[in-house]
Amino acid sequence: KAGVTQTPRYLIKTRGQQVTLSCSPISGHRSVSWYQQTPGQGLQFLFEYFSETQRNKGNFPGRFSGRQFSNSRSEMNVSTLELGDSALYLCASSSPGQGDGYTFGSGTRLTVV
Amino acid sequence: GESVGLHLPTLSVQEGDNSIINCAYSNSASDYFIWYKQESGKGPQFIIDIRSNMDKRQGQRVTVLLNKTVKHLSLQIAATQPGDSAVYFCADFGGSYIPTFGRGTSLIVHP
Repeated sequence: KAGVTQTPRYLIKTRGQQVTLSCSPISGHRSVSWYQQTPGQGLQFLFEYFSETQRNKGNFPGRFSGRQFSNSRSEMNVSTLELGDSALYLCASSSPGQGDGYTFGSGTRLTVV
Repeated sequence: GESVGLHLPTLSVQEGDNSIINCAYSNSASDYFIWYKQESGKGPQFIIDIRSNMDKRQGQRVTVLLNKTVKHLSLQIAATQPGDSAVYFCADFGGSYIPTFGRGTSLIVHP
């Protein structure tokens, strides 16, 4: 079956702009989580959505937001981009049981210049 | 949870050797565990999982061992190949939909 699909794969944005990243989970997976990964900080949890509701939230500023649609696809948005937002953004999906098959996408590499 | 930062422990092996990568977890309530492989610039790849009602599970060239008594998880890779070179980390789920990630180990396979 198809894995977790993230688009786009690469993005270059300018400071102050905003960006929207997309994640399509594995079919049947209803939980979608987002992470930011940088060499210095490792995997940092952003938020998790389940049934269109944000169920868990990490410690990121309000510039980072997300949503989930009725088909479980999710988007995250970063407004007023800063240089420090340059990172690999990953999403992971899992089936209704806690963590079942927690699978990551290939990520979106965001570069802010 | 966090993982995969700089200054990771490194395991260097020769091609064909068996590799053992270890992971300690702290939550005694954790009941589901996953091992991931992450190559540079790519997303973590699901390798194998195990539930707490098992102490061993085998996949293709990989075996995961779980010791709940000492809260320890290991990943064994048989006949390691250069393509196995990557960062490996574990994740555990204990009463939360969000995993706690292990620190990660960098595996280097020499031809």
